[in-house]
Amino acid sequence: EAGVTQSPTHLIKTRGQQATLRCSPISGHTSVYWYQQALGLGLQFLLWYDEGEERNRGNFPPRFSGRQFPNYSSELNVNALELEDSALYLCASKTGGEGNQPQHFGDGTRLSIL
Amino acid sequence: DQQVKQNSPSLSVQEGRISILNCDYTNSMFDYFLWYKKYPAEGPTFLISISSIKDKNEDGRFTVFLNKSAKHLSLHIVPSQPGDSAVYFCAASDYNNDMRFGAGTRLTVKP
Repeated sequence: EAGVTQSPTHLIKTRGQQATLRCSPISGHTSVYWYQQALGLGLQFLLWYDEGEERNRGNFPPRFSGRQFPNYSSELNVNALELEDSALYLCASKTGGEGNQPQHFGDGTRLSIL
Repeated sequence: DQQVKQNSPSLSVQEGRISILNCDYTNSMFDYFLWYKKYPAEGPTFLISISSIKDKNEDGRFTVFLNKSAKHLSLHIVPSQPGDSAVYFCAASDYNNDMRFGAGTRLTVKP
């Protein structure tokens, strides 16, 4: 079974630009989560998508946005990039519906802002 | 908001001994708790979980203990192996599937 895949592995941008990060969930998983891990910090929750709808978002400004496609893959868009956006962005997926299930993570996209 | 806290940034143990990683939480609405392991340049890997209706869950060398009254959980690894050296994240979620992570503890198992 293929795991969660993220692309690109690394992304280098300059201040003010826009970045798009992509995530393909495990087959059969309908929920996708995005997290930011800045250097030396834990995982900060960004966004949660399920069945194409945004279900919840963390304490991040509106320039962080995303969407989920009909095949359950997802994009994270970051506009007007700032130096502080440099971080590892992790995507996770899990089965939808009720009940406790673990999230499964991809290996992340390292975003560097110059 | 620090709803999940791992107060020890690092832990070093000898191979074959027990590793105990601790985690505290503040939100009484959390009902599902997980531990993840993370190697450099890889995403976190799910290790073991426990729901709030239990106080212990065991999977091979890994056991998670939950003390709801103290809002505390711990991960025991017995016996510890050098391959267990990694960063361990504690996580907790509520009925909204809103998951919060601790800052992580770096475990080093020395041969």
